[in-house]
Amino acid sequence: RKEVEQDPGPFNVPEGATVAFNCTYSNSASQSFFWYRQDCRKEPKLLMSVYSSGNEDGRFTAQLNRASQYISLLIRDSKLSDSATYLCVGNYGQNFVFGPGTRLSVLP
Amino acid sequence: DAGITQSPRHKVTETGTPVTLRCHQTENHRYMYWYRQDPGHGLRLIHYSYGVKDTDKGEVSDGYSVSRSKTEDFLLTLESATSSQTSVYFCAISEARGTDTQYFGPGTRLTVL
Repeated sequence: RKEVEQDPGPFNVPEGATVAFNCTYSNSASQSFFWYRQDCRKEPKLLMSVYSSGNEDGRFTAQLNRASQYISLLIRDSKLSDSATYLCVGNYGQNFVFGPGTRLSVLP
Repeated sequence: DAGITQSPRHKVTETGTPVTLRCHQTENHRYMYWYRQDPGHGLRLIHYSYGVKDTDKGEVSDGYSVSRSKTEDFLLTLESATSSQTSVYFCAISEARGTDTQYFGPGTRLTVL
């Protein structure tokens, strides 16, 4: 089993839609989680950290469910500029493990 | 944006030739990492460094070596490139390991013919 798994993409949604991504992790000892965003042929950039209590940053909400070992990312009121690949990241020991990413296309 | 540059940005080489990729940071972060990214896989750690002359292997280190002679520079060497090493290589930096955000360089696209 892969250490970090993500929803297969691509997700094609209309502008203004709400879209949710899930990510599962296998290492119950993982403590740190992040969502990164990666545009085509660019480097990954931090979108947000994921805290146990959940956190929100504008239109983006991240949740962590330790009991079920999954992380979610909710994007409300999708914009064309949200089109990208979203990478789920968890730590495994002192290294980060990246999921393969979920591609989102927001359509006009 | 974090001050991380990579060079070259693109390289085409032939099987069996040595290749060195450079990562340079201006943030004075202690930790530096080399990843490769391939379709269908997440970013996979090749090697990392926790200080000058201090390096260790990652998940996919076979065929790669690294060196860090200065805080700001981290070199990745393919001693004898193979076609399976065709990939996009990203350098990353962080202040702490395992808990801290990693910041990525722009990447190097390497093609081994």
